[in-house]
Amino acid sequence: KQEVTQIPAALSVPEGENLVLNCSFTDSAIYNLQWFRQDPGKGLTSLLLIQSSQREQTSGRLNASLDKSSGRSTLYIAASQPGDSATYLCAVKIRGGSNYKLTFGKGTLLTVNP
Amino acid sequence: NAGVTQTPKFQVLKTGQSMTLQCAQDMNHEYMSWYRQDPGMGLRLIHYSVGAGITDQGEVPNGYNVSRSTTEDFPLRLLSAAPSQTSVYFCASSNHRGLRDTEAFFGQGTRLTVV
Repeated sequence: KQEVTQIPAALSVPEGENLVLNCSFTDSAIYNLQWFRQDPGKGLTSLLLIQSSQREQTSGRLNASLDKSSGRSTLYIAASQPGDSATYLCAVKIRGGSNYKLTFGKGTLLTVNP
Repeated sequence: NAGVTQTPKFQVLKTGQSMTLQCAQDMNHEYMSWYRQDPGMGLRLIHYSVGAGITDQGEVPNGYNVSRSTTEDFPLRLLSAAPSQTSVYFCASSNHRGLRDTEAFFGQGTRLTVV
């Protein structure tokens, strides 16, 4: 059974700091990995999607990397801002029988202090 | 673009009542799914569908039914609500092409309380 772990569970940093969030998964036979952001009381917003054949994706101040062989992904946030405060979730898409499923980590709660 | 729309946003039920959570998407996505999110448990898959007329069970399907009569709609039915079903429910959709998937889009959630 695929398990997704995110470390740390919570992180507090001062504004302007660069930071890295970690995601690990137990089965490397994934189709893609996606990073999401969730604000309190809201739904999930997709940040980056990395296909299994890719090593990284970038969007603005965000950079996500994927190392399938070691079962790891990182989300790098440059020059953090208070508006980046949210819970960040990673999810891997795996095959379940004849269909496909997203398995989520429990998230990292990020607080960026002004 | 509307994206994924869930209704209602909030609901309080009495134990034993039934109800349907609605989910609609306007992106012509093949794949739709329902999750519940509980503190300390993360997001868990309830049911999913890879197209109209095709549904399958996820990780925690007991107590829930789904159907997919159209590409756009994927309602989730609670047959006889129990306090253990108190949770936040999310509907998601994506295109589903294996190695060349598109990203998943989520609705804003339905916060359900069963008393």
